[in-house]
Amino acid sequence: GAGVSQSPSNKVTEKGKDVELRCDPISGHTALYWYRQSLGQGLEFLIYFQGNSAPDKSGLPSDRFSAERTGGSVSTLTIQRTQQEDSAVYLCASSLPPGQGAEQYFGPGTRLTVT
Amino acid sequence: GENVEQHPSTLSVQEGDSAVIKCTYSDSASNYFPWYKQELGKGPQLIIDIRSNVGEKKDQRIAVTLNKTAKHFSLHITETQPEDSAVYFCAAIPANQAGTALIFGKGTTLSVSS
Repeated sequence: GAGVSQSPSNKVTEKGKDVELRCDPISGHTALYWYRQSLGQGLEFLIYFQGNSAPDKSGLPSDRFSAERTGGSVSTLTIQRTQQEDSAVYLCASSLPPGQGAEQYFGPGTRLTVT
Repeated sequence: GENVEQHPSTLSVQEGDSAVIKCTYSDSASNYFPWYKQELGKGPQLIIDIRSNVGEKKDQRIAVTLNKTAKHFSLHITETQPEDSAVYFCAAIPANQAGTALIFGKGTTLSVSS
């Protein structure tokens, strides 16, 4: 079946601009995660959505970062007033509800470059 | 909070040899330990996982072992092939957090030469 999809695959933006990154999870997966992968670093948790519950935003690095999940499916990660240190690969993952499977499946990522 | 350490950071082997990657975790309550393979330009791919009630799991050429007492787990790849070359990440899910976000090690770059 279809996996997690993300768009765009690459995004180049100027410092100070806002960007939106999109994630379409696997159908039936109620849990959705955003992670960030910086050059030479591991994967850093950003935010977690589970169904209609309030999201876990504990990983967001600053108030310039926000995310929404509409209709319990598609999610958008927004970075306002981008900075060069925001350059990274942004990865989305989805999984079944807690108790039904802990496996997280990742999309191909969006490579963000801030110039 | 949970902290996952991964070693080595790079590993080079000859085709046909075995490769072992080791991880340690800090939170004794963590209960799920997946391994991901990431090829260049792609997202991480789940290759095998293990839960805290199991000591070993195998899937063809790959296996994972877990030592809960020592809080470490390892990935074993036998009969390595050039297509095994990638970055491998271990991860853990702490059991005492509201969400189920993975805590990742920093990755191991595996190079298999033919």
